[in-house]
Amino acid sequence: EIVLTQSPATLSLSPGERATLSCRASQSVSSYLGWYQQKPGQPPRLLIYDASNRATGIPARFSGSGSGTDFTLTISSLEPEDFAVYYCQQRSDWPRTFGQGTKVEIK
Amino acid sequence: EVQLVESGGGLVKPGGSLRLSCAGSGFTFSSFSMNWVRQAPGKGLEWVSSISSSGTYMYHADSVRGRFTVSRDNAKNSAYLQMNSLRAEDTAVYYCAKSIAARLDWFDPWGQGTLVTVSS
Repeated sequence: EIVLTQSPATLSLSPGERATLSCRASQSVSSYLGWYQQKPGQPPRLLIYDASNRATGIPARFSGSGSGTDFTLTISSLEPEDFAVYYCQQRSDWPRTFGQGTKVEIK
Repeated sequence: EVQLVESGGGLVKPGGSLRLSCAGSGFTFSSFSMNWVRQAPGKGLEWVSSISSSGTYMYHADSVRGRFTVSRDNAKNSAYLQMNSLRAEDTAVYYCAKSIAARLDWFDPWGQGTLVTVSS
């Protein structure tokens, strides 16, 4: 099973600041890495797929990069609605696996 | 608008069974893989099962293999998760999610989820 490790567990930032979230895979997943956002009481929403492609309707301030085992989700300038939990997920192999999540909280 | 609505959750005793349903609308249901993901209270996301668009291929997490079975009925635009031999650790919100495209089984959108509680 491919283990995804996200860091940091919590990121405390202010609106307008840049957020950089990391996801590391236990083995190469090529570019088959995605990112989801989840707000309290809501289902997750796909932000980025195949490492760097924004999903439909996702603002340009969200960007993804990386390949192989190291990936980054960047939020260029945090909006109030961006404070949430973010998960990475791989579709390189079965079973599909998720990281444990990074919480982006208001500082 | 694409919509997914889960149903069938509830309180069940350890060892019991439940069948979850996921009704899809606003898209050609038979063209997309469907997926189940769960989230235990206060915890992260765990992939459970996936089924191909035709129903030919099914995949299950090790934690549920042999106890849960995913299926679908394209004529009814619905996917199902039959859960047997339920355990306390199966307690979670169960989400169904559509794959975004053929050969792109990223999960989007998701339904609102249905809560399964396994307790005596």
